[in-house]
Amino acid sequence: SQQGEEDPQALSIQEGENATMNCSYKTSINNLQWYRQNSGRGLVHLILIRSNEREKHSGRLRVTLDTSKKSSSLLITASRAADTASYFCATDMDSNYQLIWGAGTKLIIKP
Amino acid sequence: GAGVSQSPRYKVAKRGQDVALRCDPISGHVSLFWYQQALGQGPEFLTYFQNEAQLDKSGLPSDRFFAERPEGSVSTLKIQRTQQEDSAVYLCASSLGGRGPGADTQYFGPGTRLTVL
Repeated sequence: SQQGEEDPQALSIQEGENATMNCSYKTSINNLQWYRQNSGRGLVHLILIRSNEREKHSGRLRVTLDTSKKSSSLLITASRAADTASYFCATDMDSNYQLIWGAGTKLIIKP
Repeated sequence: GAGVSQSPRYKVAKRGQDVALRCDPISGHVSLFWYQQALGQGPEFLTYFQNEAQLDKSGLPSDRFFAERPEGSVSTLKIQRTQQEDSAVYLCASSLGGRGPGADTQYFGPGTRLTVL
């Protein structure tokens, strides 16, 4: 079973625009992570935000976490063609060793 | 340094055959995870090793699935009597520490795409 749901399922934007993806989850979490997956590089960790954090930045990435709404967003600024990929959120809970993943948002950056 | 490697990259099996999928984690990484990813979906947790100890196998879908990591490094995921619903990409990930999935970054291998005919 998958805990997270990404929204939208697919997103197509022009290069240079910002892309925002959302993730909702069902149970209390320790941490939430965002990953990128493309055919060239497989699954790559992007950023981790802890349950007591509200916002985190890494380069062109900005992640927010709202534990009251059980949701997170990933913003990619000034998108590039190389950002074309599927983006997944994954959550972990204190009680086990599992990462629970959403179904992903497929992002296409048009040149 | 080398990343996580998996072999074979592609495997085609006839229904009922046994398959073995190998994962070579990053040297020195304590934690090793196996995931199953169906087309168009996110990965689903299968099992977790801390060194050679299998601490969580709750995600294995049936008793046809078996994983081992006997010396705390290389791991093998074995699927017996494969079924068509086993067709998926099987991903292996490793992380440095043994403190659970969110404590350390997981590094993923390229996956093995299994097709069961």
